[in-house]
Amino acid sequence: DAKTTQPNSMESNEEEPVHLPCNHSTISGTDYIHWYRQLPSQGPEYVIHGLTSNVNNRMASLAIAEDRKSSTLILHRATLRDAAVYYCIRQGAQKLVFGQGTRLTINP
Amino acid sequence: DAMVIQNPRYQVTQFGKPVTLSCSQTLNHNVMYWYQQKSSQAPKLLFHYYDKDFNNEADTPDNFQSRRPNTSFCFLDIRSPGLGDAAMYLCATSRGGTYTDTQYFGPGTRLTVL
Repeated sequence: DAKTTQPNSMESNEEEPVHLPCNHSTISGTDYIHWYRQLPSQGPEYVIHGLTSNVNNRMASLAIAEDRKSSTLILHRATLRDAAVYYCIRQGAQKLVFGQGTRLTINP
Repeated sequence: DAMVIQNPRYQVTQFGKPVTLSCSQTLNHNVMYWYQQKSSQAPKLLFHYYDKDFNNEADTPDNFQSRRPNTSFCFLDIRSPGLGDAAMYLCATSRGGTYTDTQYFGPGTRLTVL
């Protein structure tokens, strides 16, 4: 399975925007890009998904490159509660193929 | 609130002693998944059920089995746990089968093998 590539870790300050990058150069035309995050000692939770267009919801924004080979998850104002591992996932059919994720640290 | 429930949250077993982990859901979703997550690693899909249809991942060891007696419940059976099976086991559900499906995860069961 083709996987996604993310930086192992990133650090940001509270109340500042955070841009989490993801490369998925071998994504197929029908695969959606999903983002999940996993807070400490919890199961992953859904953040956002998209196919070609940029997407916004109450948690975050997703910016997808025109060639679909990369995307960026944007947290507009990070809080301490946003500290988690963020997974960028290519979803094909019923399966999520998790990459290694980015561990996001938020500094007070 | 509708949710995915996993019991127990922590399970200790002995090397080679069969163990069963359980998952229940109140979402009435068609699909239920089991993932294994080892320390500092990403979740790895073991298998999933779409309704009663079982779908095994090619690299899931035979030591891992699953049962889904009804829509609400799904069980993970480890027939002879080894030390390498110590991990967090995550259950998830989804409505069913589309590329936009959201998966809802339970809190996980942490398995320790002594």
